[in-house]
Amino acid sequence: NAGVTQTPKFRVLKTGQSMTLLCAQDMNHEYMYWYRQDPGMGLRLIHYSVGEGTTAKGEVPDGYNVSRLKKQNFLLGLESAAPSQTSVYFCASSWPPTGAYEQYFGPGTRLTVT
Amino acid sequence: QQQVKQSPQSLIVQKGGISIINCAYENTAFDYFPWYQQFPGKGPALLIAIRPDVSEKKEGRFTISFNKSAKQFSLHIMDSQPGDSATYFCAASEGGAQKLVFGQGTRLTINP
Repeated sequence: NAGVTQTPKFRVLKTGQSMTLLCAQDMNHEYMYWYRQDPGMGLRLIHYSVGEGTTAKGEVPDGYNVSRLKKQNFLLGLESAAPSQTSVYFCASSWPPTGAYEQYFGPGTRLTVT
Repeated sequence: QQQVKQSPQSLIVQKGGISIINCAYENTAFDYFPWYQQFPGKGPALLIAIRPDVSEKKEGRFTISFNKSAKQFSLHIMDSQPGDSATYFCAASEGGAQKLVFGQGTRLTINP
Protein backbone atom coordinates (compact mmCIF):
# COMPACT_ATOMS: atom_id res chain seq x y z
CA ASN A 1 0.00 0.00 0.00
CA ALA A 2 1.99 2.99 -1.32
CA GLY A 3 -0.61 5.65 -0.43
CA VAL A 4 -0.22 8.75 -2.62
CA THR A 5 2.71 8.88 -5.00
CA GLN A 6 3.87 11.74 -7.22
CA THR A 7 6.16 11.83 -10.22
CA PRO A 8 8.54 13.44 -10.86
CA LYS A 9 10.09 14.53 -7.54
CA PHE A 10 12.03 17.41 -9.07
CA ARG A 11 11.87 19.25 -12.37
CA VAL A 12 13.42 22.33 -13.91
CA LEU A 13 11.60 23.96 -16.82
CA LYS A 14 12.33 26.90 -19.01
CA THR A 15 9.70 29.59 -19.47
CA GLY A 16 7.17 28.48 -22.06
CA GLN A 17 7.82 24.76 -21.76
CA SER A 18 5.06 22.34 -20.83
CA MET A 19 4.93 19.40 -18.49
CA THR A 20 2.57 17.04 -16.70
CA LEU A 21 2.72 16.03 -13.06
CA LEU A 22 1.29 12.62 -12.21
CA CYS A 23 -0.44 11.68 -8.98
CA ALA A 24 -1.50 8.15 -8.15
CA GLN A 25 -3.32 6.74 -5.13
CA ASP A 26 -4.06 3.13 -4.21
CA MET A 27 -6.57 3.75 -1.40
CA ASN A 28 -9.71 3.74 -3.58
CA HIS A 29 -10.35 7.37 -2.67
CA GLU A 30 -13.05 9.29 -4.52
CA TYR A 31 -11.62 12.80 -4.10
CA MET A 32 -8.26 14.06 -5.31
CA TYR A 33 -6.63 17.49 -5.08
CA TRP A 34 -3.69 19.48 -6.34
CA TYR A 35 -2.15 22.14 -4.08
CA ARG A 36 0.83 24.41 -4.44
CA GLN A 37 2.97 25.44 -1.48
CA ASP A 38 4.83 28.74 -1.44
CA PRO A 39 6.77 30.26 1.49
CA GLY A 40 4.56 32.21 3.85
CA MET A 41 1.37 31.32 1.98
CA GLY A 42 0.54 27.85 3.20
CA LEU A 43 -0.97 25.49 0.66
CA ARG A 44 -3.42 26.74 -1.95
CA LEU A 45 -5.83 24.56 -3.90
CA ILE A 46 -5.31 24.56 -7.66
CA HIS A 47 -7.87 22.04 -8.92
CA TYR A 48 -9.74 19.13 -7.46
CA SER A 49 -11.86 16.15 -8.48
CA VAL A 50 -14.76 14.49 -6.71
CA GLY A 51 -14.74 11.41 -8.90
CA GLU A 52 -13.48 9.77 -12.06
CA GLY A 53 -14.11 11.99 -15.07
CA THR A 54 -14.82 15.13 -12.99
CA THR A 55 -12.66 18.17 -12.30
CA ALA A 56 -13.25 21.61 -10.80
CA LYS A 57 -11.30 24.80 -10.17
CA GLY A 58 -9.83 25.65 -6.83
CA GLU A 59 -8.43 28.90 -5.48
CA VAL A 60 -5.55 29.40 -7.97
CA PRO A 61 -6.40 27.53 -11.21
CA ASP A 62 -4.98 29.93 -13.81
CA GLY A 63 -2.19 28.44 -15.95
CA TYR A 64 -3.02 24.84 -14.98
CA ASN A 65 -5.20 22.08 -16.38
CA VAL A 66 -6.12 18.72 -14.90
CA SER A 67 -7.58 15.40 -15.93
CA ARG A 68 -8.91 12.40 -14.06
CA LEU A 69 -9.49 9.66 -16.58
CA LYS A 70 -8.99 6.91 -14.01
CA LYS A 71 -10.10 6.95 -10.38
CA GLN A 72 -6.58 6.30 -9.10
CA ASN A 73 -4.81 8.98 -11.16
CA PHE A 74 -4.96 12.78 -11.22
CA LEU A 75 -2.79 14.68 -13.69
CA LEU A 76 -1.76 18.32 -13.43
CA GLY A 77 -0.60 20.04 -16.62
CA LEU A 78 1.27 23.25 -17.23
CA GLU A 79 0.86 24.24 -20.87
CA SER A 80 3.27 27.19 -20.90
CA ALA A 81 5.30 27.41 -17.72
CA ALA A 82 6.00 30.79 -16.12
CA PRO A 83 8.48 31.71 -13.34
CA SER A 84 5.47 32.42 -11.07
CA GLN A 85 4.71 28.70 -11.19
CA THR A 86 7.94 27.88 -9.38
CA SER A 87 6.63 26.08 -6.32
CA VAL A 88 6.27 22.77 -4.53
CA TYR A 89 3.22 20.88 -5.75
CA PHE A 90 1.34 18.44 -3.57
CA CYS A 91 -1.32 15.97 -4.53
CA ALA A 92 -3.79 14.68 -1.96
CA SER A 93 -6.69 12.26 -1.86
CA SER A 94 -9.59 11.59 0.48
CA TRP A 95 -12.99 10.00 0.94
CA PRO A 96 -12.64 6.24 1.01
CA PRO A 97 -15.79 4.11 0.56
CA THR A 98 -16.32 4.24 4.35
CA GLY A 99 -16.35 8.04 4.27
CA ALA A 100 -13.71 10.11 6.09
CA TYR A 101 -12.46 13.66 5.83
CA GLU A 102 -8.74 13.06 6.21
CA GLN A 103 -6.68 14.10 3.19
CA TYR A 104 -3.57 12.04 2.50
CA PHE A 105 -0.75 13.94 0.85
CA GLY A 106 1.95 12.78 -1.50
CA PRO A 107 5.65 13.65 -1.03
CA GLY A 108 5.53 16.63 -3.39
CA THR A 109 7.13 17.76 -6.65
CA ARG A 110 9.59 20.65 -6.55
CA LEU A 111 9.28 22.63 -9.78
CA THR A 112 11.57 25.44 -10.82
CA VAL A 113 10.79 27.56 -13.86
CA THR A 114 13.69 29.66 -15.16
CA GLN B 1 -8.20 37.37 0.83
CA GLN B 2 -6.82 35.05 3.48
CA GLN B 3 -9.75 33.14 4.92
CA VAL B 4 -7.66 31.45 7.60
CA LYS B 5 -5.04 33.48 9.44
CA GLN B 6 -2.39 31.70 11.48
CA SER B 7 0.05 32.99 14.07
CA PRO B 8 2.85 33.06 14.95
CA GLN B 9 4.92 32.45 11.80
CA SER B 10 7.67 30.89 13.88
CA LEU B 11 7.90 29.66 17.45
CA ILE B 12 10.75 28.46 19.63
CA VAL B 13 9.91 26.44 22.75
CA GLN B 14 12.09 24.68 25.27
CA LYS B 15 11.80 20.92 25.64
CA GLY B 16 8.98 20.07 28.03
CA GLY B 17 7.21 23.37 27.45
CA ILE B 18 3.81 24.10 25.91
CA SER B 19 3.60 25.14 22.26
CA ILE B 20 0.56 27.18 21.26
CA ILE B 21 -0.41 28.07 17.69
CA ASN B 22 -3.49 30.13 16.89
CA CYS B 23 -5.79 30.41 13.90
CA ALA B 24 -8.73 32.64 13.04
CA TYR B 25 -11.24 32.15 10.27
CA GLU B 26 -13.86 34.24 8.55
CA ASN B 27 -16.23 31.83 6.81
CA THR B 28 -18.92 30.72 9.27
CA ALA B 29 -19.84 27.86 6.92
CA PHE B 30 -16.59 26.04 7.72
CA ASP B 31 -17.43 22.80 9.52
CA TYR B 32 -14.15 20.92 9.72
CA PHE B 33 -10.91 22.21 11.23
CA PRO B 34 -7.80 20.02 10.90
CA TRP B 35 -4.20 20.61 11.87
CA TYR B 36 -1.47 19.23 9.65
CA GLN B 37 2.16 18.57 10.53
CA GLN B 38 4.87 18.78 7.91
CA PHE B 39 8.50 17.72 8.20
CA PRO B 40 11.12 19.05 5.76
CA GLY B 41 10.93 17.36 2.36
CA LYS B 42 7.67 15.59 3.19
CA GLY B 43 4.02 16.13 2.50
CA PRO B 44 1.69 17.37 5.25
CA ALA B 45 0.11 14.71 7.46
CA LEU B 46 -3.06 15.03 9.52
CA LEU B 47 -2.31 15.55 13.20
CA ILE B 48 -5.70 16.17 14.77
CA ALA B 49 -9.05 17.62 13.67
CA ILE B 50 -12.20 19.03 15.24
CA ARG B 51 -15.79 19.73 14.24
CA PRO B 52 -17.52 22.91 15.51
CA ASP B 53 -19.95 21.05 17.76
CA VAL B 54 -17.24 20.52 20.40
CA SER B 55 -14.99 23.05 22.13
CA GLU B 56 -11.98 20.84 22.72
CA LYS B 57 -10.42 17.65 21.41
CA LYS B 58 -7.40 15.93 22.89
CA GLU B 59 -5.21 13.23 21.40
CA GLY B 60 -2.18 12.40 23.51
CA ARG B 61 -0.08 15.54 23.93
CA PHE B 62 -2.02 17.43 21.25
CA THR B 63 -5.17 19.43 21.98
CA ILE B 64 -7.38 21.59 19.76
CA SER B 65 -9.34 24.34 21.48
CA PHE B 66 -12.22 25.76 19.46
CA ASN B 67 -14.13 29.01 20.05
CA LYS B 68 -17.02 29.21 17.62
CA SER B 69 -18.24 32.66 18.70
CA ALA B 70 -14.78 34.17 18.26
CA LYS B 71 -14.12 32.16 15.07
CA GLN B 72 -10.80 31.00 16.46
CA PHE B 73 -9.11 27.71 17.13
CA SER B 74 -5.73 26.78 18.48
CA LEU B 75 -3.32 23.87 18.78
CA HIS B 76 -1.64 23.14 22.10
CA ILE B 77 1.30 20.75 22.29
CA MET B 78 2.01 19.71 25.84
CA ASP B 79 5.43 18.50 27.00
CA SER B 80 6.92 19.57 23.66
CA GLN B 81 9.72 17.33 22.36
CA PRO B 82 12.51 17.93 19.81
CA GLY B 83 10.74 15.46 17.52
CA ASP B 84 7.80 17.89 17.38
CA SER B 85 9.97 20.37 15.49
CA ALA B 86 8.13 20.81 12.20
CA THR B 87 5.86 23.20 10.33
CA TYR B 88 2.25 23.18 11.45
CA PHE B 89 -0.69 24.25 9.34
CA CYS B 90 -4.23 24.91 10.44
CA ALA B 91 -6.95 24.51 7.83
CA ALA B 92 -10.69 24.67 7.41
CA SER B 93 -13.27 23.33 4.98
CA GLU B 94 -16.99 23.23 4.47
CA GLY B 95 -19.00 20.13 3.47
CA GLY B 96 -19.12 18.73 -0.03
CA ALA B 97 -15.72 18.26 -1.65
CA GLN B 98 -13.88 19.23 1.57
CA LYS B 99 -11.71 21.79 -0.15
CA LEU B 100 -9.17 22.81 2.48
CA VAL B 101 -8.21 26.43 3.07
CA PHE B 102 -4.86 26.55 4.84
CA GLY B 103 -3.29 29.03 7.20
CA GLN B 104 0.16 30.38 6.41
CA GLY B 105 2.00 27.87 8.59
CA THR B 106 4.06 28.01 11.79
CA ARG B 107 7.61 26.76 11.96
CA LEU B 108 8.01 25.22 15.42
CA THR B 109 11.44 24.56 16.90
CA ILE B 110 11.79 22.67 20.17
CA ASN B 111 15.15 23.27 21.80
CA PRO B 112 16.59 20.33 23.78
